Amino acid sequence: SAVISQKPSRDICQRGTSLTIQCQVDSQVTMMFWYRQQPGQSLTLIATANQGSEATYESGFVIDKFPISRPNLTFSTLTVSNMSPEDSSIYLCSVSLGLTETQYFGPGTRLLVL
Amino acid sequence: EDKVVQSPLSLVVHEGDTVTLNCSYEVTNFRSLLWYKQEKKAPTFLFMLTSSGIEKKSGRLSSILDKKELFSILNITATQTGDSAVYLCAVTPLNYGGSQGNLIFGKGTKLSVKP
Repeated sequence: SAVISQKPSRDICQRGTSLTIQCQVDSQVTMMFWYRQQPGQSLTLIATANQGSEATYESGFVIDKFPISRPNLTFSTLTVSNMSPEDSSIYLCSVSLGLTETQYFGPGTRLLVL
Repeated sequence: EDKVVQSPLSLVVHEGDTVTLNCSYEVTNFRSLLWYKQEKKAPTFLFMLTSSGIEKKSGRLSSILDKKELFSILNITATQTGDSAVYLCAVTPLNYGGSQGNLIFGKGTKLSVKP
Protein backbone atom coordinates (compact mmCIF):
# COMPACT_ATOMS: atom_id res chain seq x y z
CA SER A 1 0.00 0.00 0.00
CA ALA A 2 0.98 3.68 0.11
CA VAL A 3 0.94 6.39 2.74
CA ILE A 4 -1.21 9.26 1.54
CA SER A 5 -1.69 12.63 3.18
CA GLN A 6 -4.12 15.39 2.37
CA LYS A 7 -4.19 19.01 3.39
CA PRO A 8 -6.25 20.60 4.74
CA SER A 9 -8.15 17.94 6.66
CA ARG A 10 -11.13 20.25 6.92
CA ASP A 11 -12.11 23.79 6.10
CA ILE A 12 -15.04 26.18 6.26
CA CYS A 13 -15.22 28.57 3.32
CA GLN A 14 -17.39 31.39 2.10
CA ARG A 15 -19.31 31.05 -1.12
CA GLY A 16 -17.58 32.48 -4.15
CA THR A 17 -14.11 31.65 -2.88
CA SER A 18 -11.77 28.85 -3.97
CA LEU A 19 -9.95 26.17 -2.01
CA THR A 20 -6.96 24.10 -3.10
CA ILE A 21 -6.57 20.62 -1.63
CA GLN A 22 -3.19 18.91 -1.69
CA CYS A 23 -2.50 15.19 -1.92
CA GLN A 24 0.96 13.80 -1.18
CA VAL A 25 2.03 10.17 -1.56
CA ASP A 26 5.12 8.62 -0.03
CA SER A 27 6.10 6.82 -3.23
CA GLN A 28 5.78 7.30 -6.95
CA VAL A 29 2.44 6.08 -8.21
CA THR A 30 1.03 5.54 -11.65
CA MET A 31 -2.51 6.73 -11.16
CA MET A 32 -4.01 9.38 -8.90
CA PHE A 33 -7.72 10.10 -8.63
CA TRP A 34 -9.98 12.69 -7.02
CA TYR A 35 -13.38 11.75 -5.59
CA ARG A 36 -16.23 13.64 -4.02
CA GLN A 37 -18.54 12.25 -1.38
CA GLN A 38 -21.57 14.41 -0.73
CA PRO A 39 -23.44 14.01 2.57
CA GLY A 40 -25.17 10.65 2.75
CA GLN A 41 -23.92 9.64 -0.68
CA SER A 42 -21.27 7.33 -2.01
CA LEU A 43 -18.04 8.25 -3.71
CA THR A 44 -18.14 9.85 -7.14
CA LEU A 45 -15.06 10.12 -9.30
CA ILE A 46 -14.27 13.70 -10.31
CA ALA A 47 -11.21 13.10 -12.46
CA THR A 48 -8.04 11.16 -13.04
CA ALA A 49 -4.95 13.26 -12.44
CA ASN A 50 -2.43 12.59 -15.20
CA GLN A 51 1.21 13.39 -14.65
CA GLY A 52 2.46 15.88 -17.19
CA SER A 53 -0.85 16.34 -18.98
CA GLU A 54 -4.36 17.60 -18.42
CA ALA A 55 -6.63 15.68 -16.07
CA THR A 56 -9.36 13.41 -17.45
CA TYR A 57 -12.73 14.54 -16.11
CA GLU A 58 -15.83 12.44 -15.59
CA SER A 59 -19.21 13.41 -16.90
CA GLY A 60 -20.63 16.31 -14.92
CA PHE A 61 -17.27 17.71 -13.83
CA VAL A 62 -15.36 20.42 -15.69
CA ILE A 63 -11.88 21.84 -15.51
CA ASP A 64 -13.03 25.39 -14.83
CA LYS A 65 -14.77 24.29 -11.66
CA PHE A 66 -12.26 21.65 -10.52
CA PRO A 67 -8.81 22.45 -11.91
CA ILE A 68 -6.28 19.73 -11.12
CA SER A 69 -2.52 19.74 -11.20
CA ARG A 70 -0.12 16.83 -11.07
CA PRO A 71 3.43 18.12 -11.40
CA ASN A 72 5.09 14.81 -10.50
CA LEU A 73 4.39 11.19 -9.57
CA THR A 74 3.89 11.84 -5.85
CA PHE A 75 1.78 15.01 -5.67
CA SER A 76 -1.50 16.42 -6.93
CA THR A 77 -3.83 19.30 -6.15
CA LEU A 78 -7.55 19.77 -6.64
CA THR A 79 -9.04 23.25 -6.57
CA VAL A 80 -12.72 23.78 -5.90
CA SER A 81 -13.47 27.10 -7.58
CA ASN A 82 -16.19 29.68 -7.02
CA MET A 83 -17.66 27.56 -4.26
CA SER A 84 -21.34 27.26 -3.39
CA PRO A 85 -23.01 25.41 -0.50
CA GLU A 86 -23.60 22.48 -2.91
CA ASP A 87 -19.85 21.92 -2.94
CA SER A 88 -19.93 20.96 0.73
CA SER A 89 -18.53 17.44 0.65
CA ILE A 90 -15.66 15.21 1.56
CA TYR A 91 -12.98 15.28 -1.11
CA LEU A 92 -10.72 12.27 -1.34
CA CYS A 93 -7.65 11.52 -3.35
CA SER A 94 -6.70 7.96 -4.14
CA VAL A 95 -3.84 6.18 -5.82
CA SER A 96 -3.35 2.87 -7.52
CA LEU A 97 -0.01 1.12 -7.56
CA GLY A 98 1.35 -0.22 -10.79
CA LEU A 99 -1.31 -1.64 -13.06
CA THR A 100 -3.58 -2.97 -10.32
CA GLU A 101 -7.04 -1.49 -9.97
CA THR A 102 -6.90 -1.53 -6.18
CA GLN A 103 -7.06 2.06 -4.99
CA TYR A 104 -5.82 3.39 -1.67
CA PHE A 105 -7.40 6.51 -0.27
CA GLY A 106 -6.09 9.52 1.52
CA PRO A 107 -7.65 10.70 4.79
CA GLY A 108 -9.97 13.12 3.01
CA THR A 109 -10.79 16.81 3.23
CA ARG A 110 -14.12 17.79 4.76
CA LEU A 111 -15.32 21.03 3.17
CA LEU A 112 -18.20 23.16 4.37
CA VAL A 113 -19.27 26.11 2.26
CA LEU A 114 -21.39 28.76 3.90
CA GLU B 1 -25.89 2.27 -17.19
CA ASP B 2 -23.34 0.65 -14.90
CA LYS B 3 -24.45 0.45 -11.30
CA VAL B 4 -23.69 -1.13 -7.95
CA VAL B 5 -26.45 -1.77 -5.41
CA GLN B 6 -25.77 -2.61 -1.79
CA SER B 7 -28.15 -3.98 0.79
CA PRO B 8 -29.17 -3.41 3.43
CA LEU B 9 -28.48 0.33 3.58
CA SER B 10 -28.11 0.13 7.33
CA LEU B 11 -27.89 -2.58 9.93
CA VAL B 12 -27.77 -2.64 13.71
CA VAL B 13 -26.46 -5.73 15.49
CA HIS B 14 -25.03 -6.67 18.86
CA GLU B 15 -21.49 -7.70 19.59
CA GLY B 16 -20.90 -11.34 18.73
CA ASP B 17 -23.46 -11.45 15.95
CA THR B 18 -22.60 -12.52 12.43
CA VAL B 19 -23.58 -10.21 9.58
CA THR B 20 -23.79 -10.60 5.83
CA LEU B 21 -23.61 -7.57 3.57
CA ASN B 22 -24.74 -7.79 -0.03
CA CYS B 23 -23.52 -6.17 -3.22
CA SER B 24 -25.07 -6.69 -6.65
CA TYR B 25 -23.81 -5.10 -9.82
CA GLU B 26 -24.52 -4.44 -13.44
CA VAL B 27 -21.47 -3.42 -15.39
CA THR B 28 -20.15 -3.70 -18.89
CA ASN B 29 -17.02 -5.84 -19.13
CA PHE B 30 -16.58 -6.61 -15.45
CA ARG B 31 -13.00 -6.71 -14.23
CA SER B 32 -13.05 -6.85 -10.43
CA LEU B 33 -15.04 -6.08 -7.29
CA LEU B 34 -13.59 -4.40 -4.24
CA TRP B 35 -14.76 -3.99 -0.66
CA TYR B 36 -13.81 -1.04 1.51
CA LYS B 37 -14.46 -0.08 5.12
CA GLN B 38 -15.09 3.62 5.70
CA GLU B 39 -14.76 5.04 9.17
CA LYS B 40 -15.02 8.82 9.39
CA LYS B 41 -13.57 9.87 6.03
CA ALA B 42 -11.05 7.54 4.42
CA PRO B 43 -12.09 4.19 2.89
CA THR B 44 -9.76 1.38 3.85
CA PHE B 45 -9.21 -1.43 1.37
CA LEU B 46 -10.45 -4.87 2.47
CA PHE B 47 -10.64 -7.25 -0.48
CA MET B 48 -10.42 -7.44 -4.23
CA LEU B 49 -12.30 -10.27 -5.95
CA THR B 50 -11.91 -11.30 -9.54
CA SER B 51 -12.85 -14.99 -9.67
CA SER B 52 -16.13 -16.66 -8.80
CA GLY B 53 -16.36 -19.01 -5.87
CA ILE B 54 -12.98 -18.25 -4.33
CA GLU B 55 -13.35 -16.93 -0.81
CA LYS B 56 -11.07 -14.18 0.40
CA LYS B 57 -10.55 -14.16 4.14
CA SER B 58 -8.92 -11.83 6.62
CA GLY B 59 -9.49 -12.58 10.27
CA ARG B 60 -13.21 -12.37 10.97
CA LEU B 61 -13.99 -10.93 7.56
CA SER B 62 -14.55 -12.97 4.42
CA SER B 63 -15.96 -12.30 0.99
CA ILE B 64 -16.96 -14.23 -2.07
CA LEU B 65 -17.97 -13.34 -5.60
CA ASP B 66 -20.56 -14.91 -7.89
CA LYS B 67 -19.94 -13.69 -11.43
CA LYS B 68 -22.85 -15.66 -12.84
CA GLU B 69 -25.42 -14.08 -10.54
CA LEU B 70 -23.51 -10.76 -10.43
CA PHE B 71 -23.19 -10.32 -6.71
CA SER B 72 -20.81 -10.50 -3.81
CA ILE B 73 -21.23 -10.89 -0.06
CA LEU B 74 -19.11 -9.69 2.81
CA ASN B 75 -19.37 -11.70 6.01
CA ILE B 76 -18.26 -10.51 9.42
CA THR B 77 -18.31 -13.06 12.22
CA ALA B 78 -18.22 -12.37 15.96
CA THR B 79 -18.76 -8.66 15.37
CA GLN B 80 -17.11 -6.08 17.61
CA THR B 81 -17.92 -2.42 18.20
CA GLY B 82 -14.84 -1.58 16.16
CA ASP B 83 -16.53 -3.06 13.12
CA SER B 84 -19.00 -0.17 13.14
CA ALA B 85 -18.47 1.62 9.84
CA VAL B 86 -19.85 2.08 6.35
CA TYR B 87 -18.89 -0.81 4.10
CA LEU B 88 -18.52 0.13 0.46
CA CYS B 89 -18.60 -2.12 -2.54
CA ALA B 90 -17.03 -0.97 -5.81
CA VAL B 91 -16.69 -2.46 -9.25
CA THR B 92 -14.03 -1.87 -11.86
CA PRO B 93 -15.11 -2.27 -15.45
CA LEU B 94 -12.60 -2.81 -18.19
CA ASN B 95 -11.62 0.42 -19.93
CA TYR B 96 -14.31 2.40 -18.15
CA GLY B 97 -14.26 5.99 -19.44
CA GLY B 98 -11.02 5.21 -21.19
CA SER B 99 -9.19 5.36 -17.87
CA GLN B 100 -7.80 2.30 -16.19
CA GLY B 101 -8.89 1.55 -12.68
CA ASN B 102 -11.97 3.75 -12.31
CA LEU B 103 -14.23 2.48 -9.56
CA ILE B 104 -18.03 2.55 -9.49
CA PHE B 105 -19.17 2.65 -5.88
CA GLY B 106 -22.38 1.54 -4.27
CA LYS B 107 -24.00 3.70 -1.60
CA GLY B 108 -22.67 1.53 1.16
CA THR B 109 -24.08 -0.36 4.14
CA LYS B 110 -23.88 1.41 7.47
CA LEU B 111 -23.17 -1.17 10.15
CA SER B 112 -23.63 -0.32 13.81
CA VAL B 113 -22.46 -2.84 16.37
CA LYS B 114 -23.90 -2.31 19.86
CA PRO B 115 -22.08 -3.55 22.97
